Parts: sequence; structure tokens; C-alpha cells
Amino acid sequence: AQSVTQLDSQVPVFEEAPVELRCNYSSSVSVYLFWYVQYPNQGLQLLLKYLSGSTLVKGINGFEAEFNKSQTSFHLRKPSVHISDTAEYFCAVSVAGSARQLTFGSGTQLTVLP
Amino acid sequence: DVKVTQSSRYLVKRTGEKVFLECVQDMDHENMFWYRQDPGLGLRLIYFSYDVKMKEKGDIPEGYSVSREKKERFSLILESASTNQTSMYLCASSPPQGPSETQYFGPGTRLLVL
Repeated sequence: AQSVTQLDSQVPVFEEAPVELRCNYSSSVSVYLFWYVQYPNQGLQLLLKYLSGSTLVKGINGFEAEFNKSQTSFHLRKPSVHISDTAEYFCAVSVAGSARQLTFGSGTQLTVLP
Repeated sequence: DVKVTQSSRYLVKRTGEKVFLECVQDMDHENMFWYRQDPGLGLRLIYFSYDVKMKEKGDIPEGYSVSREKKERFSLILESASTNQTSMYLCASSPPQGPSETQYFGPGTRLLVL
């Protein structure tokens, strides 16, 4: 079975600073990888996903993530954060051929400070 | 745009009550999902459905049941609510193409069981 580990439960960062949110996964088969964001009092929405091809994936709101197969990682980055990026971020994995689709990590709360 | 709606944003119920959480999607998606979100645990899959009248157990189905009589509607039922079912419940839907597809989430129902 696949699993996802988000190493940091909370990440505080000052506005306009860079940020990296870490995600590691385990799976014995090929995976698809996702980052979702949850703004306060809302449901989740997709930031970006890796299916195949280029290991650098660009998403909405200036976020990007890099798939590293040897390190089984899919870290999320943004070069300069804004107050409006304050939200909870979830990494998720799905496995080809699996009907149940996503397995989520425990989430990282990103707080951008003025 | 895909829209997933949930019948209530907040619910307060008493222990032992039967609770219905309703989810409706307007994009003719085959797949629908119910998750439970708890701090530090991320999202955990309760049940999912890939067709009308079809259902599959997720990771934590105990104490829950589901119903899908129409394609657009997926209901989560707590037969006898307990305090440990106090949580945020999120519904999602996705097209049928498989585990690479994006899931679209509703805004969530925050359930308090007293």
C-alpha cells in the first residue's frame, strides 16, 4: 500500500520569502503525485499534479514541485510567498490501476507573516 | 466549473442520532468520495463510489454507511452518531478515467456530536 509523509506540520514564513513544503511517499509501483491547497473554511483545490514526463511541474499561484524518484519526494516550492498563500497544503499519491485513487498526507499549515 | 455542494456547513447532533450528510455534484462525474478530515491526520477515505448503487469501503468505514441512488448525489450516513465522529467531512467527485484524475471537493460539513 502507498503512504505519504509530510515532514512539517507547520511552516511559518515572512512575506516575500521563499518556501519549501516537503513531501515523501512510499509505493512499490508507479505513482501519480498531487498537491492540494485548503484555504480557511473551504474545501480542497488542486495546486498541481505530476503524472509523467518532466519532473518539474508548475501549478497555480506561482507554485511548483519537483518529482524525485530516487528520493521518493515531491516537494512544493514558491520563490516569494504572499499573505494570501496562508493555507493548509496536502500532498497526495495515487497508484495506477487503483480504484480508490488518493492517499493524503497529514498536511502542512503554511502561515505567511507580514 | 465543477461544483460540489454539501447540504450543511455546520451540524450539531446528539449521541445516538442518525445523521445524513448529502453531497451533490453537477459535472456528471462517475466517481464520488467521502473523506473525514482531522487535525494532524489529513484526509482519510471513508467510502467511495464509482457508479450508481456501487460502493467501496475506504480506510475507515466503521460506523458509516453510504447511499448512491442517483449519479449526482452521494450520501453519508451515521447510523448512530458517537462523539468520536465529531469531525470535518469532505465530499469529492472525479471523472472516470482513473487515479490520474483531479478530485473536486465540496466546502465541507463540520459535524459536532454531543
